[in-house]
Amino acid sequence: QQQVKQSPQSLIVQKGGISIINCAYENTAFDYFPWYQQFPGKGPALLIAIRPDVSEKKEGRFTISFNKSAKQFSLHIMDSQPGDSATYFCAASITGNQFYFGTGTSLTVIP
Amino acid sequence: DGGITQSPKYLFRKEGQNVTLSCEQNLNHDAMYWYRQDPGQGLRLIYYSQIVNDFQKGDIAEGYSVSREKKESFPLTVTSAQKNPTAFYLCASSTRQATEAFFGQGTRLTVV
Repeated sequence: QQQVKQSPQSLIVQKGGISIINCAYENTAFDYFPWYQQFPGKGPALLIAIRPDVSEKKEGRFTISFNKSAKQFSLHIMDSQPGDSATYFCAASITGNQFYFGTGTSLTVIP
Repeated sequence: DGGITQSPKYLFRKEGQNVTLSCEQNLNHDAMYWYRQDPGQGLRLIYYSQIVNDFQKGDIAEGYSVSREKKESFPLTVTSAQKNPTAFYLCASSTRQATEAFFGQGTRLTVV
């Protein structure tokens, strides 16, 4: 049973466009929602994270939008660049316990 | 330089052989994890440990074994019982509060 559902599986965006990746969860006990970025042949690295007491968090071109009532959260990449081409994973955890990851989104930004 | 070191980066083994993947961290993290990554399936948890000498099975533990004799080390053994061992294996660690998980660079295991 997939604890965190992620979509789309792949995404192609023009340079300068907005990339949007969505995730949904069921367990209302989750209290930490990170996004990870992974380049080919490398381990994932934390990109940005949010806790459910806020509805939005922005760091540079990356924004997490969080909808607690809908149990959904999304990553928005503004002004997408070719260097953003990577696989993105959403995740959820209960503080002090294991992480549950989405299935990943392969993002390609076309110059 | 703090971080997680996985070795080797590439590993080739014959079918039926056991193989052990190394994971070492110098972040003083209590929790360590092993994930398996396959295309289109994301990261699936194999085993995790929140304290020395204790570990729990994840979603796909069958055919794998681990040990946690030292805080810094969490080796994973892929046994001959694992039906489809060829994959990219990732080790991670975090504090007990489980906020950020730090990942190693991964080991790509190919069984021929």
